[in-house]
Amino acid sequence: GIQVEQSPPDLILQEGANSTLRCNFSDSVNNLQWFHQNPWGQLINLFYIPSGTKQNGRLSATTVATERYSLLYISSSQTTDSGVYFCAVMNTDKLIFGTGTRLQVFP
Amino acid sequence: DTGVSQDPRHKITKRGQNVTFRCDPISEHNRLYWYRQTLGQGPEFLTYFQNEAQLEKSRLLSDRFSAERPKGSFSTLEIQRTEQGDSAMYLCASTGLITEAFFGQGTRLTVV
Repeated sequence: GIQVEQSPPDLILQEGANSTLRCNFSDSVNNLQWFHQNPWGQLINLFYIPSGTKQNGRLSATTVATERYSLLYISSSQTTDSGVYFCAVMNTDKLIFGTGTRLQVFP
Repeated sequence: DTGVSQDPRHKITKRGQNVTFRCDPISEHNRLYWYRQTLGQGPEFLTYFQNEAQLEKSRLLSDRFSAERPKGSFSTLEIQRTEQGDSAMYLCASTGLITEAFFGQGTRLTVV
């Protein structure tokens, strides 16, 4: 089946710093989503981005489907950005998740 | 619409007992998914329904697990004879015509 790899696995930042999270996938996909998992375990939708670039406030994402990767950019990070970020792809009928990037933002 | 709803939020059970979880999807969504997440891992696919039809089950879903979606609306996931290894977060998601998935808050199961 399709493989999804995320990097880095862990990221520690000071408040105000920028960061880039990467998601590589091994096959063509018809859906790609980025999620933020909050401390209570709920997956919060950030982007639905099978291709192209989207922006939402301090966050933006780019998916280059032909090269099988997606990037999530976080600018001017805040402590509330802390948590685990997941990339998930769909190439049949189900989402396959990566192992996540754990982000810690310190004041 | 209040989004995907799961009940209960937390469940503690003794090994060997049966448990049942419920998921109410977004009302116009025809696909419903169940995932399991253990500590430090990403969610793993268990099974999904299109309307009332169960279309795929993961090899992770042992004989002790059964899921239903009898009227194509809410779904239940039952685990029989629970084991300590079943302790995990159980997540439900739904999708509609656009395949963007929305997740519920999850049910955290602890088997003691």
